[in-house]
Amino acid sequence: QVQLQQWGAGLLKPSETLSLTCAVYGGSFSGYYWSWIRQPPGKGLEWIGEINHSGSTNYNPSLKSRVTISVDTSKNQFSLKLSSVTAADTAVYYCARGTAVSCGGDCYNYYMDVWGKGTTVTVSS
Amino acid sequence: EIVLTQSPGTLSLSPGERATLSCRASQSVSSSYLAWYQQKPGQAPRLLIYGASSRATGIPDRFSGSGSGTDFTLTISRLEPEDFAVYYCQQYGSSPPTYTFGQGTKLEIK
Repeated sequence: QVQLQQWGAGLLKPSETLSLTCAVYGGSFSGYYWSWIRQPPGKGLEWIGEINHSGSTNYNPSLKSRVTISVDTSKNQFSLKLSSVTAADTAVYYCARGTAVSCGGDCYNYYMDVWGKGTTVTVSS
Repeated sequence: EIVLTQSPGTLSLSPGERATLSCRASQSVSSSYLAWYQQKPGQAPRLLIYGASSRATGIPDRFSGSGSGTDFTLTISRLEPEDFAVYYCQQYGSSPPTYTFGQGTKLEIK
């Protein structure tokens, strides 16, 4: 059974760089896209971006200028860096596995079926 | 950018009742790209439905999804105590690849 274990600094000052890592255990690392999602306190979910085992990335346009997602296939890990953080970046950050499954012909289902437990990141001076 | 609007914001029902949650897209979404998640306090979201109507592994059959185009529905046929949570719809956009979530519907015990 695939499990995602995530870690990283939980308290940052404004203008610092957020850095989180997610490790994949118990399953294949290739063949999937690996995402980061965040959730501000009391609010909804926001997708940050994704990466595959080859290093191909897709980012949320609203965060693209500050986000870097990287992969280390030797360790089955992927990482998130978010630069120049402010209080608005305070959130629980989740890593998740993105799956694309054929539904016939050119049809593919896309969804996130495995999630990490989340890391709380607080930005405060 | 496609915006997903969920309604109602909060739904108050009793165990045993039927719950109907709505997700409306600002433009047409492929059914294969629409998913639903359940989130309980302090927990990560859990995949319930993908492809608008397919249940994820281990999801009870009281959960069902339907819809197409711009209107999608998550139905819980008979509410169990453990079903009270927040529910999110999500769509995948292919050009460029992005994921968008609705703002969520909180299902609370009446």
